[in-house]
Amino acid sequence: DQQVKQNSPSLSVQEGRISILNCDYTNSMFDYFLWYKKYPAEGPTFLISISSIKDKNEDGRFTVFLNKSAKHLSLHIVPSQPGDSAVYFCAASRSDSGAGSYQLTFGKGTKLSVIP
Amino acid sequence: EAQVTQNPRYLITVTGKKLTVTCSQNMNHEYMSWYRQDPGLGLRQIYYSMNVEVTDKGDVPEGYKVSRKEKRNFPLILESPSPNQTSLYFCASSFVRGSNEQFFGPGTRLTVL
Repeated sequence: DQQVKQNSPSLSVQEGRISILNCDYTNSMFDYFLWYKKYPAEGPTFLISISSIKDKNEDGRFTVFLNKSAKHLSLHIVPSQPGDSAVYFCAASRSDSGAGSYQLTFGKGTKLSVIP
Repeated sequence: EAQVTQNPRYLITVTGKKLTVTCSQNMNHEYMSWYRQDPGLGLRQIYYSMNVEVTDKGDVPEGYKVSRKEKRNFPLILESPSPNQTSLYFCASSFVRGSNEQFFGPGTRLTVL
């Protein structure tokens, strides 16, 4: 059973426009969410995170929104740049788990292509 | 520089020939983990370790072994590799308190013929 879902395998956006990547989760015990970015031939790198006590977190061009009632989060990139082209993974964790809050459950990823 | 290193980066081997992929981190992280990435399946956890001599199975542990004799190292062992273990492998580490952010290594591309 997939607990973290990224239903769009790919997304294409024009440079300068907004990119919106979506993520849904089924486990209501998840209380911390992260986005990772992965370029080819490199490991994933942390991008931005949000705690369940917030509904929005911003870092420069990147904003993550959390809708707990809908069990949905989204990553907004504004404006999108060609260098943002990568695979984006959504991940979730639960602070009450026996293994602690450091266990992450990942989605399958969304490949973003920003077209110049 | 804070980093997670993996070796080798690329490996082609044959079925049944034991191999070890090394992972080392220099951030004094307690937690370390191995993932495999396959097309359409995302990142799936193989094994993780909460500290020295403490390891546990992830979602797809079959065919793999790990050990954690030192805090900085977390090798992944394939005793008898099979073609279905052809994959891209990532090691990751983090602290067990505070930020959940995991730091990933550059990956090891393994092909088992």
